[in-house]
Amino acid sequence: GAVVSQHPSWVICKSGTSVKIECRSLDFQATTMFWYRQFPKQSLMLMATSNEGSKATYEQGVEKDKFLINHASLTLSTLTVTSAHPEDSSFYICSARVPPRASRHEQFFGPGTRLTVL
Amino acid sequence: AQSVTQLGSHVSVSEGALVLLRCNYSSSVPPYLFWYVQYPNQGLQLLLKYTSAATLVKGINGFEAEFKKSETSFHLTKPSAHMSDAAEYFCAVGGATNKLIFGTGTLLAVQP
Repeated sequence: GAVVSQHPSWVICKSGTSVKIECRSLDFQATTMFWYRQFPKQSLMLMATSNEGSKATYEQGVEKDKFLINHASLTLSTLTVTSAHPEDSSFYICSARVPPRASRHEQFFGPGTRLTVL
Repeated sequence: AQSVTQLGSHVSVSEGALVLLRCNYSSSVPPYLFWYVQYPNQGLQLLLKYTSAATLVKGINGFEAEFKKSETSFHLTKPSAHMSDAAEYFCAVGGATNKLIFGTGTLLAVQP
């Protein structure tokens, strides 16, 4: 149980284009999902917390107009990188919080999306 | 505020040797502690978690960790390393908010 998928697993795009990454909880409903960014050989940096039916909460220093997050259903959150530039190239990972009856704070992670902006 | 410190960004052990990955935490509230493993170009997989029950926690793949409040530590161990254990390991703490705070990671290399 508690499987999280991401699509696409990798994407290459031209500078200036927008890219959408999907995060789905496959066998449970996730009211809260998280988006992380990971640079090579570094730890995960939390970008934002995505709450179903409400606006995402962004971490300090993350541009909300550049990284658009939509959590329209209990099983899907999307991250759109708008007007992508080479410095946005990174590994993006989403996670979903396990339903309340399970261990609090436990998160299950998607397999990640490798974004390369040319 | 909460934080996690992982001592040693790189650890190398021989196959069959003891694995010890260190994690110290700081938390103003009772912490929830996690160890995750990440293989190249993949997401994170939960190894084990501490949620205020038993202080010695057993996880998958033969790993275990002991919560020591007096030392604010949650070190990860495995009695005998396998080649397949080579990966990046992250310690994380939660408790004050819904967020997890991750350490900087420890890259484990297993030598034949």
